[in-house]
Amino acid sequence: EAAVTQSPRNKVAVTGGKVTLSCNQTNNHNNMYWYRQDTGHGLRLIHYSYGAGSTEKGDIPDGYKASRPSQENFSLILELATPSQTSVYFCASGTGGSGNTLYFGEGSRLIVV
Amino acid sequence: GDSVTQTEGQVTVSESKSLIINCTYSATSIAYPNLFWYVRYPGEGLQLLLKVITAGQKGSSRGFEATYNKETTSFHLQKASVQESDSAVYYCALSGVSSGSWQLIFGSGTQLTVMP
Repeated sequence: EAAVTQSPRNKVAVTGGKVTLSCNQTNNHNNMYWYRQDTGHGLRLIHYSYGAGSTEKGDIPDGYKASRPSQENFSLILELATPSQTSVYFCASGTGGSGNTLYFGEGSRLIVV
Repeated sequence: GDSVTQTEGQVTVSESKSLIINCTYSATSIAYPNLFWYVRYPGEGLQLLLKVITAGQKGSSRGFEATYNKETTSFHLQKASVQESDSAVYYCALSGVSSGSWQLIFGSGTQLTVMP
């Protein structure tokens, strides 16, 4: 009954290959987010969306694209994966606004070799 | 700029002992920051532990508490008696509107290990 689910949970990709991380939410939230989390860093925002058809750049968008085909789904796309993109990626949904709570998926661990 | 600092990357505490995880923030462009603690248990995603949206107020949940101190720009997480099940990664975060857009900024996280 998890409200935010990510797939795949684990992925090994080759340098230069294409990787798609998928996220599905059943919260009916307008806003969705992709973060990456690296040791020694907080979560850093890559892309976000205000609703179907909308994608916005976050703080570290270089090397990533995003797609929001529906209210429920938000994908993160690495067209040409690089070893520096090895990380744990988290998807989240929220209602928006200053005090809003984010609801996170379990994370996707990506290793680029 | 706006930032959140957690000075301890790892904290180890014995069961039933008290705990403080430090969090300080800088909100130079966010006028009215809201403060959060999120927790990530092993194998799970982050989940909200507590939040406080008004300076001077205290939030509490699951025996944890944190006070939004605007004077010291701090939001330390405390618990009087930890349990082994509290072992997790704790993230302090602040949110607010800066230059017309919403920001959510996380600290680097503190790994808490509670020893039996």
